[in-house]
Amino acid sequence: DTGVSQNPRHKITKRGQNVTFRCDPISEHNRLYWYRQTLGQGPEFLTYFQNEAQLEKSRLLSDRFSAERPKGSFSTLEIQRTEQGDSAMYLCASSLLWGAADNEQFFGPGTRLTVL
Amino acid sequence: AQKVTQAQTEISVVEKEDVTLDCVYETRDTTYYLFWYKQPPSGELVFLIRRNSFDEQNEISGRYSWNFQKSTSSFNFTITASQVVDSAVYFCALIVITASKLTFGTGTRLQVTL
Repeated sequence: DTGVSQNPRHKITKRGQNVTFRCDPISEHNRLYWYRQTLGQGPEFLTYFQNEAQLEKSRLLSDRFSAERPKGSFSTLEIQRTEQGDSAMYLCASSLLWGAADNEQFFGPGTRLTVL
Repeated sequence: AQKVTQAQTEISVVEKEDVTLDCVYETRDTTYYLFWYKQPPSGELVFLIRRNSFDEQNEISGRYSWNFQKSTSSFNFTITASQVVDSAVYFCALIVITASKLTFGTGTRLQVTL
């Protein structure tokens, strides 16, 4: 499978616990994005990387959230001290940037987080 | 800031009916891309089409067609002869050349019944 993969697909945790999600982008893609989607809403941008560099973070990304892409390949998104409001689908996408134009973003299947 | 509005929350049609999903966008940038994505019950977003701001030519792909009108800032999506497999949530999205993030609308849930 050469698409974007995410693990785990589902995560149930208790309030206050830390969780970590992983995203593996399409291998030649240099950009990687994280979005969050709550019920009945469209995905909302959280952050993105170009290679290893985290170039933008949304105001939605509180201090409890941290994302890394250490070798410019896979990325992890960690949420510390989870709250019930963190319950959502976390989507990862990747794209190949060339020239000055951004290309189509390919999305993974998402990780559904439920905080009890 | 960018904004995408999908005023239709939910649409129900009977199979073989035509259906149009509306999308209105706001941006001050002159160079941008518009997208439609399909999200079936499985949850994965499936890319349908990308259109850049300089190309207002309508596009048809099988039963799908898209109407882009800069004058009304709209990028509407029509499914001809709908099928049950078209049942999903459809999202319209916008990306401007000066940024890298997609701005999504709230989606339109399409229910196609027999």
